[in-house]
Amino acid sequence: NAGVMQNPRHLVRRRGQEARLRCSPMKGHSHVYWYRQLPEEGLKFMVYLQKENIIDESGMPKERFSAEFPKEGPSILRIQQVVRGDSAAYFCASSKTGNPRTHTDTQYFGPGTRLTVL
Amino acid sequence: RKEVEQDPGPFNVPEGATVAFNCTYSNSASQSFFWYRQDCRKEPKLLMSVYSSGNEDGRFTAQLNRASQYISLLIRDSKLSDSATYLCVVTTTSGTYKYIFGTGTRLKVLA
Repeated sequence: NAGVMQNPRHLVRRRGQEARLRCSPMKGHSHVYWYRQLPEEGLKFMVYLQKENIIDESGMPKERFSAEFPKEGPSILRIQQVVRGDSAAYFCASSKTGNPRTHTDTQYFGPGTRLTVL
Repeated sequence: RKEVEQDPGPFNVPEGATVAFNCTYSNSASQSFFWYRQDCRKEPKLLMSVYSSGNEDGRFTAQLNRASQYISLLIRDSKLSDSATYLCVVTTTSGTYKYIFGTGTRLKVLA
């Protein structure tokens, strides 16, 4: 029973390039969340998606960042024209539902993608 | 004021000691509470959910105090393998349901 999968695990980009981070949720999970963790800081919510829908992108920077979760395939977090400040660990989590009144809302995390911008 | 606050530590304790962490939250409408554990450069892993009546899982006990808006984690008989960062998580339903993480409390258990 595979957990949440993320790839690549490490990604190096030069300033101005594009970064694409992929996340496959746990089997049976249809809710995906992306978080960013800067060095020595906590995880910050970025975006919440269900299949083909962005539910909440209140934590996403207004420019250069986008996310999708297509009907088929993994969720993708895309960062265009990366800058040094984008260097961070990006974690994806999935849950069975987004309903806080049930215990199926617990989020399980993938191993993360460490993005380094040179 | 941060939505979720934790003492960053580090807490350095000898093996076998009992250690407790607190976490305060600002939104009285918060609904669910969790403790996650994060090892260095790894993903957060669910340690336990926190229920209103308090709950225990082996050496770990979690408590919720809604009136004072804090949750706590107690670790008894600390092991070297307990060394990690403990993340407090509070959920909010402002807008949509999502997790708000504290910055974590670092624990080092010493031999």
